Amino acid sequence: ETGVTQSPTHLIKTRGQQVTLRCSSQSGHNTVSWYQQALGQGPQFIFQYYREEENGRGNFPPRFSGLQFPNYSSELNVNALELDDSALYLCASKSRANTEAFFGQGTRLTVV
Amino acid sequence: RKEVEQDPGPFNVPEGATVAFNCTYSNSASQSFFWYRQDCRKEPKLLMSVYSSGNEDGRFTAQLNRASQYISLLIRDSKLSDSATYLCVVSAKSSGDKLTFGTGTRLAVRP
Repeated sequence: ETGVTQSPTHLIKTRGQQVTLRCSSQSGHNTVSWYQQALGQGPQFIFQYYREEENGRGNFPPRFSGLQFPNYSSELNVNALELDDSALYLCASKSRANTEAFFGQGTRLTVV
Repeated sequence: RKEVEQDPGPFNVPEGATVAFNCTYSNSASQSFFWYRQDCRKEPKLLMSVYSSGNEDGRFTAQLNRASQYISLLIRDSKLSDSATYLCVVSAKSSGDKLTFGTGTRLAVRP
């Protein structure tokens, strides 16, 4: 196991609603990244947090936002959900000094 | 053009076969290279990092050609348990070490 945990594992939401996904990073890891993986695609980078600051963002609209807490856990918030937001949302953690990242089991979000 | 390109497959091989996957990347500033393995409806798991000198881990061998911006993964003596999707991944310090994934190559090993 990677030590990265995400909650919830599955979620069904209605279009227009808001959702918060959570991630606990591996012990000793201070960098957390979020990825969206649509069916049949590779994961796409949403954003990254280091020491509670966002330090990188992919091509996602502002309704995708996040937070990192002092214990390095993180949240991903998505407002005004759209059907196309249905995907597997993955959190990855790593230490600043290391390039290898380890993933949580993901949250499968379905928007209906 | 996608930043990381892979043949999606599927590659359908018998047990014991040798199979090779290739991947090309477009960002010449890429500095770190990986192969991840992803089982159906699960998270990606790091299979191996890829180094310029090439590296081997048991039945798995990875190669990197920086000049051609090309990465490969060779699996020898395929096992049924190797059936999965193999994701080619690159990252660059200039991009904050974000991981850029290919779409993955599906491997199915048959008895």
